[in-house]
Amino acid sequence: DIQMTQSPSSLSASVGDRVTITCRASQDIGNSLAWYQQKPGRVPKLLIYTASTLHSGVPSRFSGSGSGTDFTLTISSLQPEDVATYYCQKSNSAPLTFGGGTKVEIK
Amino acid sequence: EVQLLESGGGLVQPGGSLRLSCAASGFTFSSYAMNWVRQSPGKGLEWVSSIGTGGTTYYADSVKGRFTVSRDNSKNTLYLQMNSLRAEDTALYYCAKHYRYGYRFFDYWGQGTLVTVSS
Repeated sequence: DIQMTQSPSSLSASVGDRVTITCRASQDIGNSLAWYQQKPGRVPKLLIYTASTLHSGVPSRFSGSGSGTDFTLTISSLQPEDVATYYCQKSNSAPLTFGGGTKVEIK
Repeated sequence: EVQLLESGGGLVQPGGSLRLSCAASGFTFSSYAMNWVRQSPGKGLEWVSSIGTGGTTYYADSVKGRFTVSRDNSKNTLYLQMNSLRAEDTALYYCAKHYRYGYRFFDYWGQGTLVTVSS
């Protein structure tokens, strides 16, 4: 099965900083990657799908890129409401594996 | 408005069984693949199982042979029958809907139902 590895596992950045999270697949998954945001105590929310398509209602400071095995989620200007754990998920075929998550905090 | 409401969680002893339900509304349930995703306390998300519109099922290796997913389109309800439960199955179990046919990511999630496996 394809494994999904996220890095870093956590980060701390200042408001307004550019934040980058990486997700690596152990095999080529094309552009079949989604990103989710889970705020503390809340249900996960879809942010991005097919690697770079912003889901409806998601602020434009979020963006995704990559294909094949290497993918990136970028927050262009970190806001206090972005404190959350972010997960990638392969979406080409079962098993629909998630990455281990990246916890984002404000410095 | 899409709503997914899980139920059936609770405390069960190791080796026991439990059946989770997810009542769906606000969309044409029979037209969408559905999923179960779980999250152990303080841990990350783990995909558990999917069921397609035609009833094809998929499972994570960690639950294969112990869990069975099913759906009743007449009741707009998704189920997860969990047998031979282990301590490591303790988690919040979410029901989640596929975005659309052929797109295997999740645009709506329920609030979850907590399963605790302990003696």
